[in-house]
Amino acid sequence: GAVVSQHPSRVICKSGTSVKIECRSLDFQATTMFWYRQFPKQSLMLMATSNEGSKATYEQGVEKDKFLINHASLTLSTLTVTSAHPEDSSFYICSASPGQGNTEAFFGQGTRLTVV
Amino acid sequence: AQSVAQPEDQVNVAEGNPLTVKCTYSVSGNPYLFWYVQYPNRGLQFLLKYITGDNLVKGSYGFEAEFNKSQTSFHLKKPSALVSDSALYFCAVRPFGSGNTGKLIFGQGTTLQVKP
Repeated sequence: GAVVSQHPSRVICKSGTSVKIECRSLDFQATTMFWYRQFPKQSLMLMATSNEGSKATYEQGVEKDKFLINHASLTLSTLTVTSAHPEDSSFYICSASPGQGNTEAFFGQGTRLTVV
Repeated sequence: AQSVAQPEDQVNVAEGNPLTVKCTYSVSGNPYLFWYVQYPNRGLQFLLKYITGDNLVKGSYGFEAEFNKSQTSFHLKKPSALVSDSALYFCAVRPFGSGNTGKLIFGQGTTLQVKP
């Protein structure tokens, strides 16, 4: 299947700093990518839809100024957690789909963010 | 509202026994249904999907799922469980009208525990 790579896999940062997470589609182009957040032993919550060359679409309740998304190319989307707080600590996962004719999404390996 | 429900938080089976992980859905239009598996601190791995055609879908690692339209169910099954199947399993549906973008709605997840 298609490969989605996410980096870093684990990051620890201090409160008040910003952290950038990258999501890359390695063997296909993705005009759309998705960012999810997962709390321990819970399901994935869709945060936003990342659109190449345009603004991201955020789900209700997700602060767009806190979770900045940039999708500057067809193979890369970035999520920046700005002014991080301990409550932002979570597992963040991205996904992408190769598009036409292929309907399953492929997921990155996830990023464990810990804010201290 | 479109949704997916996994009624069991945890399923316990003995190695070698058959396993079933339940999933029911509520969507408008024809459902696109998926099963994913997640190992600790990892992203999601695609197992199988139902788009159209035969109600019994075969997927990776010996898993299969049966689409039942009248019961709006898509239960995951495996004839003989392995200890290595122990993981967190997610059922997901692609919302009607979301196009071929890979946006998914997830169930709450079911932890499968296979004991030797």
